[in-house]
Amino acid sequence: DTAVSQTPKYLVTQMGNDKSIKCEQNLGHDTMYWYKQDSKKFLKIMFSYNNKELIINETVPNRFSPKSPDKAHLNLHINSLELGDSAVYFCASSQAGTDYGYTFGSGTRLTVV
Amino acid sequence: KQEVTQIPAALSVPEGENLVLNCSFTDSAIYNLQWFRQDPGKGLTSLLLIQSSQREQTSGRLNASLDKSSGRSTLYIAASQPGDSATYLCAVPILYNTDKLIFGTGTRLQVFP
Repeated sequence: DTAVSQTPKYLVTQMGNDKSIKCEQNLGHDTMYWYKQDSKKFLKIMFSYNNKELIINETVPNRFSPKSPDKAHLNLHINSLELGDSAVYFCASSQAGTDYGYTFGSGTRLTVV
Repeated sequence: KQEVTQIPAALSVPEGENLVLNCSFTDSAIYNLQWFRQDPGKGLTSLLLIQSSQREQTSGRLNASLDKSSGRSTLYIAASQPGDSATYLCAVPILYNTDKLIFGTGTRLQVFP
């Protein structure tokens, strides 16, 4: 299936831990994103990468570090997790210069306890 | 600064009704507008993408219109069904920077039998 897939789907962890969320797309898109959906269900961009290069970094704490080993993968590593990091994190992809819009993954629900 | 709002925030209707969901954006210089559907605990599914040069797009029982000059888009759902129950989100990319989507606040729709 052509899609944006992210793992894990659920993540429960203690404050202070370090965790990673993985994302892969097989759509051949050149741009990938991480979005955060807070408790009020509001979606906001965190990062975007185009061909492995960071394009957007939206005032996200430096505890969040995206890594793109190739244009099909964009992983999100979070250090020293805090209670306020609890949210749903969505990966997405698009093809720059086209009219096809965005494709989103199914989300990772992170709960920090 | 682009701001996107959606009205109503929530809607509960009996099956079979025709519905109109509204999306407003403050900066009319948009590249395109995308409507998404989000089911509880799930990711975002793209419904319709309207380019700035288009006035409407249709997919099955869904019809989305775009009026750039007034900063509005509507999503029309014909003959609603319980399976349409979800949160509907509209989003626009920042002009000249399609790597950043600005999402609306969402309309939570419940269609009861």
